[in-house]
Amino acid sequence: DADVTQTPRNRITKTGKRIMLECSQTKGHDRMYWYRQDPGLGLRLIYYSFDVKDINKGEISDGYSVSRQAQAKFSLSLESAIPNQTALYFCATSDPGQGVTGELFFGEGSRLTVL
Amino acid sequence: ILNVEQSPQSLHVQEGDSTNFTCSFPSSNFYALHWYRWETAKSPEALFVMTLNGDEKKKGRISATLNTKEGYSYLYIKGSQPEDSATYLCAFSSAGGTSYGKLTFGQGTILTVHP
Repeated sequence: DADVTQTPRNRITKTGKRIMLECSQTKGHDRMYWYRQDPGLGLRLIYYSFDVKDINKGEISDGYSVSRQAQAKFSLSLESAIPNQTALYFCATSDPGQGVTGELFFGEGSRLTVL
Repeated sequence: ILNVEQSPQSLHVQEGDSTNFTCSFPSSNFYALHWYRWETAKSPEALFVMTLNGDEKKKGRISATLNTKEGYSYLYIKGSQPEDSATYLCAFSSAGGTSYGKLTFGQGTILTVHP
């Protein structure tokens, strides 16, 4: 089983719908991240959390919200999905014991299509 | 917004060729430079995390160098094999300010190795 699990792996939805992408991890890492990947662009940070009580906006947080339900769970919500949120979404974790920016461990990605 | 540039955007080589690509990043407030390998339909996986100017890291046929003073890193692949075909991502983190603890990714170099 993957150490960082994302659900769903694929989702097609319509404009205006609320969508939640879930991420759970068994690595015991405090730090969790949500990234978005678009063709021709790098991974862009949406939100990150350094522990359960710490949530921070990344560079492209507009239109998204997150919830850190437990150390192991970090969910990303699109309150009202729009077509330009069609992308591949990655959850990642890191170990603060590896330094301020330790190696990221990625989930397998959630491909979201908004029609 | 920190600018991380990778070149070339894509590269086609023959099996057995050696190749290299570049990651450019801001030379001020450097903290760490990461390289990730991302195979189609899989998760990105870390290759190297480098923190010191002059760092050289090696893993099998893949190696990387780091020049923090001029703001670049090279990734080298010796004797490319078809299984090296992937997107190679670099990511930079800054030592301070609002970028603390966050990685900024380049757009990636897509490598295709032809048998």
